[in-house]
Amino acid sequence: DTEVTQTPKHLVMGMTNKKSLKCEQHMGHRAMYWYKQKAKKPPELMFVYSYEKLSINESVPSRFSPECPNSSLLNLHLHALQPEDSALYLCASSQGDRDSPLHFGNGTRLTVT
Amino acid sequence: EDQVTQSPEALRLQEGESSSLNCSYTVSGLRGLFWYRQDPGKGPEFLFTLYSAGEEKEKERLKATLTKKESFLHITAPKPEDSATYLCAVQAANYQLIWGAGTKLIIKP
Repeated sequence: DTEVTQTPKHLVMGMTNKKSLKCEQHMGHRAMYWYKQKAKKPPELMFVYSYEKLSINESVPSRFSPECPNSSLLNLHLHALQPEDSALYLCASSQGDRDSPLHFGNGTRLTVT
Repeated sequence: EDQVTQSPEALRLQEGESSSLNCSYTVSGLRGLFWYRQDPGKGPEFLFTLYSAGEEKEKERLKATLTKKESFLHITAPKPEDSATYLCAVQAANYQLIWGAGTKLIIKP
């Protein structure tokens, strides 16, 4: 059982929709991450919240918007996505020490039609 | 340029047939090397962290080792449930995490 919980497990949305992905961690970690993973590829970092400070991968388009209500919750707001944004979106947490391992949730499988 | 290369891309073994997966890296200042296991449709599951050359970690049928240029994930007498994609990630001096492309391991009963 994973201690990082993501909802929903699957999401199908049109290009004009607005939706949100949710993540909750129960490990007492101080850093949370969003990753995007395409088939047969490793995860790509999108955003990091560490000790309430946001770091952004500058290659991520503005149609993705993260929100961190508290140290246990992380949301990813989606707006006007493109079909190429279809992927597995993974949330992860870590203790916040820079060399501590990541603990992943099981992801949200997103399909943009 | 910092780079992580995993080999082979795919490995098919019979149940009980031991083997090794390789993760070679060129990074400026290794801070840590991480091994993960990923099942289809799931998130990566953390296995090991190695910090310095000569370090070894074990968990059930898996043993990870580290040198100054590469890491090996040795699997002893594997079972079908060990089938998964194994990912290696290296943290460089600037704290950037660089991922390998993974090795897909298939264990046939």
